[in-house]
Amino acid sequence: AQSVAQPEDQVNVAEGNPLTVKCTYSVSGNPYLFWYVQYPNRGLQFLLKYITGDNLVKGSYGFEAEFNKSQTSFHLKKPSALVSDSALYFCAVGRNTGGFKTIFGAGTRLFVKA
Amino acid sequence: DAGVIQSPRHEVTEMGQEVTLRCKPISGHDYLFWYRQTMMRGLELLIYFNNNVPIDDSGMPEDRFSAKMPNASFSTLKIQPSEPRDSAVYFCASNPPGTRELFFGEGSRLTVL
Repeated sequence: AQSVAQPEDQVNVAEGNPLTVKCTYSVSGNPYLFWYVQYPNRGLQFLLKYITGDNLVKGSYGFEAEFNKSQTSFHLKKPSALVSDSALYFCAVGRNTGGFKTIFGAGTRLFVKA
Repeated sequence: DAGVIQSPRHEVTEMGQEVTLRCKPISGHDYLFWYRQTMMRGLELLIYFNNNVPIDDSGMPEDRFSAKMPNASFSTLKIQPSEPRDSAVYFCASNPPGTRELFFGEGSRLTVL
């Protein structure tokens, strides 16, 4: 079985400050890990993914995420937040074998204050 | 590319009525997924197809829900009869061969009165 936990319902950060959105996962075998962003009344948009290789993954809009196998975490980070980053962020996990099922976390609302 | 196209964008219906949601995936994508989003349950995977064949429908909540993919460019999600607890935003997503990145449609917001 696969599962994803996003422990924070909301993250508040001031513009220009670094941001972190947390994610932990559980999956048998090697994971595929993803971050997606959702703006109001829109579908989800892909930000970045970890399949294999470097633990630090860079994605769209200056976001990056760090894969930590021992802590089963995949936290999303950005060095300097923008007001326009305010949105709902979803972490997701899939397995590298046995199907293409991708399971999403509950989402974390990011609020960046000017 | 036009992206994943869903229709209708909004649907308001009364309990007991049949609802049909439609999805056109991106051309060339070989996987298609239906998700449901609610405040209480978040984003739930209902069913997914590979090359028009249903692979996993374990997330379909009950027999009132059914999904079909008659060809590579069209899928439907049907609810019959609908109930107020089916009110949600239903998303269709597809992904291209060789990747696991999902491309989502804008969603169909269903309200069952």
